Amino acid sequence: DAGVTQSPTHLIKTRGQQVTLRCSPKSGHDTVSWYQQALGQGPQFIFQYYEEEERQRGNFPDRFSGHQFPNYSSELNVNALLLGDSALYLCASSALPQPYEQYFGPGTRLTVT
Amino acid sequence: AQSVTQLDSQVPVFEEAPVELRCNYSSSVSVYLFWYVQYPNQGLQLLLKYLSGSTLVESINGFEAEFNKSQTSFHLRKPSVHISDTAEYFCAVSASSNTGKLIFGQGTTLQVKP
Repeated sequence: DAGVTQSPTHLIKTRGQQVTLRCSPKSGHDTVSWYQQALGQGPQFIFQYYEEEERQRGNFPDRFSGHQFPNYSSELNVNALLLGDSALYLCASSALPQPYEQYFGPGTRLTVT
Repeated sequence: AQSVTQLDSQVPVFEEAPVELRCNYSSSVSVYLFWYVQYPNQGLQLLLKYLSGSTLVESINGFEAEFNKSQTSFHLRKPSVHISDTAEYFCAVSASSNTGKLIFGQGTTLQVKP
């Protein structure tokens, strides 16, 4: 049973560029959430996708956007990258009847220079 | 809104000694509580959760946590730690009516020494 997978593993971008991160949920899961984990901090909720729509969002600017595809996989897009966007980006998936049980992927380490 | 405070950023302990990692939360609504573990260069793994019922919950690898509503705490304990328990531990909370959004604490680094 494949767990949550994310790509790429590492990424280096320059300020002002745009980046796309990808996530495939655990088999049988239909809900995907994205979190940002800055160095030495706990993860912070970015947004959640279900049925190809953004269901809820944390306190992140509009530069952060996402998408969910019919196969439940998801993308996180960040425009106009800032140095402060450097972080580990985690994807988590879940499904009924246990929507509270989120399974996390290994993350994508983004470095903005 | 919910918030989580992990009271210790680092906890050094010798192998086979007991350990407690402290977590306090704040919420105006009913919550679910979680402990996640993160090994180096890996994602988060769910260690245990409290949803309702018995206030003492256990994991398969010997950890336990007790939900204390009056103290708004959810401390994690293990009676005897192993070197392999060295990791970052995160306490998290979600509103029971909105389980899609986890609020995490800052994390506690457990350093088990031989």
